[in-house]
Amino acid sequence: DGGITQSPKYLFRKEGQNVTLSCEQNLNHDAMYWYRQDPGQGLRLIYYSQIVNDFQKGDIAEGYSVSREKKESFPLTVTSAQKNPTAFYLCASSASYTTNEKLFFGSGTQLSVL
Amino acid sequence: SQKIEQNSEALNIQEGKTATLTCNYTNYSPAYLQWYRQDPGRGPVFLLLIRENEKEKRKERLKVTFDTTLKQSLFHITASQPADSATYLCALEGVSGGYQKVTFGIGTKLQVIP
Repeated sequence: DGGITQSPKYLFRKEGQNVTLSCEQNLNHDAMYWYRQDPGQGLRLIYYSQIVNDFQKGDIAEGYSVSREKKESFPLTVTSAQKNPTAFYLCASSASYTTNEKLFFGSGTQLSVL
Repeated sequence: SQKIEQNSEALNIQEGKTATLTCNYTNYSPAYLQWYRQDPGRGPVFLLLIRENEKEKRKERLKVTFDTTLKQSLFHITASQPADSATYLCALEGVSGGYQKVTFGIGTKLQVIP
């Protein structure tokens, strides 16, 4: 089955620790995205990548980093600089970074702080 | 600033009735609007896309309208079933912060009562 796989489903971060969320897609999509979802708020864009080896900051990139070394992979690192990391993180992809493209989402990672 | 408004309060409806969810927006001139369904602890799933030159779009029991004058979209589920219970998100494409992106509303939670 084609789709997006996020892992782990649940993740706990200790004070001062960096953690990495995995996102893999086998849809052969060029564009990939990371969103953060908090209760009572819409999805907020953290980073996006239009094509392999390229990525740009979204609305709330501070305290996060990404890489796009392979077309199918777009990992997100939550660094210790992110002071409020507890949230539900969603990875998404689309065929291309153009208008009129629907997004395909993974099942999400719930990150909590210990 | 650009804003998307969905009724944040839950909508409770009796099984078999038509559910109508509203999405209002300001300071957008979207070329299209999307609706997604999200179940608890899961990623959103694409349902329908409607373009600015389309007044109405249907898919099985789902119907979406798009009124660019009122800056509003209505999402209807006819003959609602308990399995339709979920949160429904509308999404608009626009340019914000110097880049093109899809912005999501906070969603409306629908509860279909047997």
